[in-house]
Amino acid sequence: EVQLVQSGAEVKKPGESLKISCKASGYSFSTYWIGWVRQMPGKGLEWMGIIHPGDSDIRYSPSSEGQVTISADKSISTAYLQWNSLKASDSALYYCARRGRYNYGDLSYYGLDVWGHGTTVTVSS
Amino acid sequence: IQMTQSPSSLSAFVGDRVTIACRASPSVSNFLNWYQQKPGKAPNLLIYAASNLQSGVPSRFNGSGSGTDFTLTISSLQPEDLATYYCQQTYSVLGTFGQGTRLEIK
Repeated sequence: EVQLVQSGAEVKKPGESLKISCKASGYSFSTYWIGWVRQMPGKGLEWMGIIHPGDSDIRYSPSSEGQVTISADKSISTAYLQWNSLKASDSALYYCARRGRYNYGDLSYYGLDVWGHGTTVTVSS
Repeated sequence: IQMTQSPSSLSAFVGDRVTIACRASPSVSNFLNWYQQKPGKAPNLLIYAASNLQSGVPSRFNGSGSGTDFTLTISSLQPEDLATYYCQQTYSVLGTFGQGTRLEIK
């Protein structure tokens, strides 16, 4: 079974560091991009960034660039999202998701076809 | 690329035909996905490439459109369709999401 299992909920203070994880199983980890998506309470879906574990190509959303670090460890099929200094505004639910590929006609299409269950991050003094 | 959904919320009866719109600016050809997010759950991919049903998704869901205007239709609303629906353009790697449409059952 293809699945992504995320690390548990975190409660941190402003200024602290944090690294959350997303462990993949059931497929070739190096073959698919894995993305991180933020959902603030009662709000919609926002990209943080995405990584290709095979070659470590990383793309950050403009709002996340410089605020977080995305990485992956192929040896344990795990992707990470990391903060060096948390702010209260980082409080949110964070999902990892696999970017699946679909061939249709002569083109390739992509969709987030497998999602983790989400990791809740609470930052409060 | 900006994605705008309408309406932001709607309420319908079981058995109704429901339509949700998504507009892209500029055009995204047919690089458009739809997701369903049930309360307290992770999103689930329903449709890719504007009109292709993801494996396992009930046939009452239908996607259409190309260019800038897209539609998600539920042909006969079921109680389990209570959810928020998002469109997403995949013209770029970090494809923008729409703001979501909350669907309630009357």
